[in-house]
Amino acid sequence: AQKVTQAQTEISVVEKEDVTLDCVYETRDTTYYLFWYKQPPSGELVFLIRRNSFDEQNEISGRYSWNFQKSTSSFNFTITASQVVDSAVYFCALSEAGLTGGGNKLTFGTGTQLKVEL
Amino acid sequence: DADVTQTPRNRITKTGKRIMLECSQTKGHDRMYWYRQDPGLGLRLIYYSFDVKDINKGEISDGYSVSRQAQAKFSLSLESAIPNQTALYFCATSDHRTGNEQFFGPGTRLTVL
Repeated sequence: AQKVTQAQTEISVVEKEDVTLDCVYETRDTTYYLFWYKQPPSGELVFLIRRNSFDEQNEISGRYSWNFQKSTSSFNFTITASQVVDSAVYFCALSEAGLTGGGNKLTFGTGTQLKVEL
Repeated sequence: DADVTQTPRNRITKTGKRIMLECSQTKGHDRMYWYRQDPGLGLRLIYYSFDVKDINKGEISDGYSVSRQAQAKFSLSLESAIPNQTALYFCATSDHRTGNEQFFGPGTRLTVL
């Protein structure tokens, strides 16, 4: 069975600090996808990134970066120079890559509440 | 216009009432999903559908039913609502041809008194 663990329930930082959100996953599949979603106070889910299990290159998008390490089954998310607008709940998720059966079902972590204060 | 819409956005109902939540999409995706979100528990899969008339149970299907009569629509029903079904419900879609990314609707906040 798939499992995603986000051990950090809540993180508070001061604006401009860097912050890393941890995500550890479990799966028996050799092919899978990992995701991060942002849920701002308004409630919608905003897609941030998708990474497949064969691509371990780290990715940077503006102030956001992701570190994928298969050896430790981790897919951590770093926000550089955090801003108040980054305050949200962030979810890590995992899905199998099969096109039939279990393919596409997302297993979510419990989320990390990030609070960025002035 | 939003690609994935949910109606209603907010609903308050009483125990024992039948409730239907609707989801519509204009993305042309074949796969649709219903999730519920509870504080501290993340999102959990209720039902999913890979095509019209295809229905599959998710992690927490008890007390719920779904209908997929058209590719663009996927409805979730609570036959007899109970208070512990109070939650935020999300519909999502994906296309098996373009990868596993799911696109979410804005959510429906349901309160069962």
